[in-house]
Amino acid sequence: AQSVAQPEDQVNVAEGNPLTVKCTYSVSGNPYLFWYVQYPNRGLQFLLKYITGDNLVKGSYGFEAEFNKSQTSFHLKKPSALVSDSALYFCAVRDLTGGGNKLTFGTGTQLKVEL
Amino acid sequence: DSGVTQTPKHLITATGQRVTLRCSPRSGDLSVYWYQQSLDQGLQFLIQYYNGEERAKGNILERFSAQQFPDLHSELNLSSLELGDSALYFCASSVSWSSGNTIYFGEGSWLTVV
Repeated sequence: AQSVAQPEDQVNVAEGNPLTVKCTYSVSGNPYLFWYVQYPNRGLQFLLKYITGDNLVKGSYGFEAEFNKSQTSFHLKKPSALVSDSALYFCAVRDLTGGGNKLTFGTGTQLKVEL
Repeated sequence: DSGVTQTPKHLITATGQRVTLRCSPRSGDLSVYWYQQSLDQGLQFLIQYYNGEERAKGNILERFSAQQFPDLHSELNLSSLELGDSALYFCASSVSWSSGNTIYFGEGSWLTVV
């Protein structure tokens, strides 16, 4: 089965500092990887995806992610964190097992950006 | 705004009751997904429909059922509700079958079973 792991339940970073939210994947075949963000009492918002091509993917709100095949990782990054980036971040992988083409999500990482 | 519309936004009901959650996908999207988000289970895939046909089933209880109508809107029916069914239920949609398509999520329907 396809899966992703987010090893950190929470990440704390000071505003203005770079941030990284980690994600590793386990898939058979080519991985299709996604990042979503969930603000309090809101739905999941799509940030970016990796399908093929350039290993550095740029997304919404200044976020980017680096696909690393040798380390089976897809870490989310931002050069300078904002307090407004504080939210719950989910990594996901496209999962074709059992039919369909659903997303299988990680457990989420709570990002807290402090002044 | 993702373009995926879910109603109702909040719902409180008693154990043993039945509720229906409604979803309108983004314009032009043929595939609809339902997910459940709870504190202990995280984000769980329930079911997927594509152009009216069921395509995949996940951890969906037998008390739950769904369908996608000819106009592509979808409904998730939850019956014989239990306290543990309290959760945030998401609908999502994508254009087609392609694995590269982005899946867009609605704001969710908060269900509280008391």
